[in-house]
Order: sequence, then C-alpha cells, then structure tokens
Amino acid sequence: NAGVTQTPKFQVLKTGQSMTLQCAQDMNHEYMSWYRQDPGMGLRLIHYSVGAGITDQGEVPNGYNVSRSTTEDFPLRLLSAAPSQTSVYFCASSYIAPSSTDTQYFGPGTRLTVL
Amino acid sequence: SQQGEEDPQALSIQEGENATMNCSYKTSINNLQWYRQNSGRGLVHLILIRSNEREKHSGRLRVTLDTSKKSSSLLITASRAADTASYFCATDRGTSYGKLTFGQGTILTVHP
Repeated sequence: NAGVTQTPKFQVLKTGQSMTLQCAQDMNHEYMSWYRQDPGMGLRLIHYSVGAGITDQGEVPNGYNVSRSTTEDFPLRLLSAAPSQTSVYFCASSYIAPSSTDTQYFGPGTRLTVL
Repeated sequence: SQQGEEDPQALSIQEGENATMNCSYKTSINNLQWYRQNSGRGLVHLILIRSNEREKHSGRLRVTLDTSKKSSSLLITASRAADTASYFCATDRGTSYGKLTFGQGTILTVHP
C-alpha cells in the first residue's frame, strides 16, 4: 500500500491564483481530512469528510473548498490564494473517525508559499 | 486559542535519559492522542488514551491522563537519537465528529 499520498510536495503561487492540492489513499478509509500547520502552531483542521459525497468544515475553512467524489480522493482547492495561506498542508485518513481508537494516517505534506 | 498546549516548548537531553512532555487542555475530552513528527514529514500516531483511562504503555512510551487537572504527560524512557522529533498532543472533545484539536508541540532533541 502507498498509504496517503499528496501532490505536489512544493508549490509557489501568486496572490489571487487558484490551485488544487491532491490527496489520495489506498487503504479504503472512509474518513479523510485536511490540516494546515503554521510555524509555532499545531495542526488546524480545514475540512473533513466522513465518506464519499459528505464533507464538513473544520476550524479554519475560509478560502478553501473540498469535494469527495470517490473514497480514495479528497482534493483541497484554494479559490484565490492569499499570503495568509502560506503554510504546510497535511492530508490524513482513517477507517473511521479519529475520535475513536482508530489510528489516523498522515501524508507527507505540501509546502505552499503564496507571494 | 489552542485546546492542547504542550510544555516545554523545547527539550534537549542526552541519549539514555528519559524525556517527559506535558499537555494541558481546557475542556472535557473523549480521548487524547500523542503524535510524533520528524522534520519535514507528516505526523505519526503514537498512542491514544481514553478519558476513563489513567495510564497507558506502548514500548518505551508511557502516557498518563489526569482529567481532574486536564493534563496529560508523555514519557519516553531510555531515549535514542532517533527519538529526535516534535511531539504533539491532540484532543477529541467528543462534540464534533472526528474533529481533533492539536497543541503547539514540544521539540525534543536527543544528543548521541
């Protein structure tokens, strides 16, 4: 199994540009989520999905969109990039919600810089 | 503000010593989890402790939970250079499906 994969690993955008961060998992996990990690801060939840066709907002959803058309993929869209969105983005998945005893698996991250 | 806050922010020790990291939180929780993050990598789940548990062990890891003080500690015994990483606690408040709240982390450096 490849686990959780994320592309790209690095990205530089100009203010106002849009882009999609890709996330895929091959473990047949129902639960997937996106976090951002800023220097000196822990991870903050952006959006999450409990299954195909079902998504919900996390702690910091503004400026981001998600969709979940398949169990495997959970892309994160930046609609109009802003310097405040400069961060490292992590995708994670688990069989069921991480609020249970289930382990959450993290991808390697995408380092995004918005100029 | 962060639900979980780790203490200390940074810890530097020699190989073979024990490392203790603390996490405090503000509201009641369902469970508390500890994660490790090596530099430039994603997080790796270490251990989960439920609100009705007081202590849990996994290899060289020992986690305690004191719900009356709203705090948890992670002890790594006989540390190794490979334990050098950032360690985060994450709390599940049980009110929102699947929403974990992460602390700011403790940076642990183990010198050979």
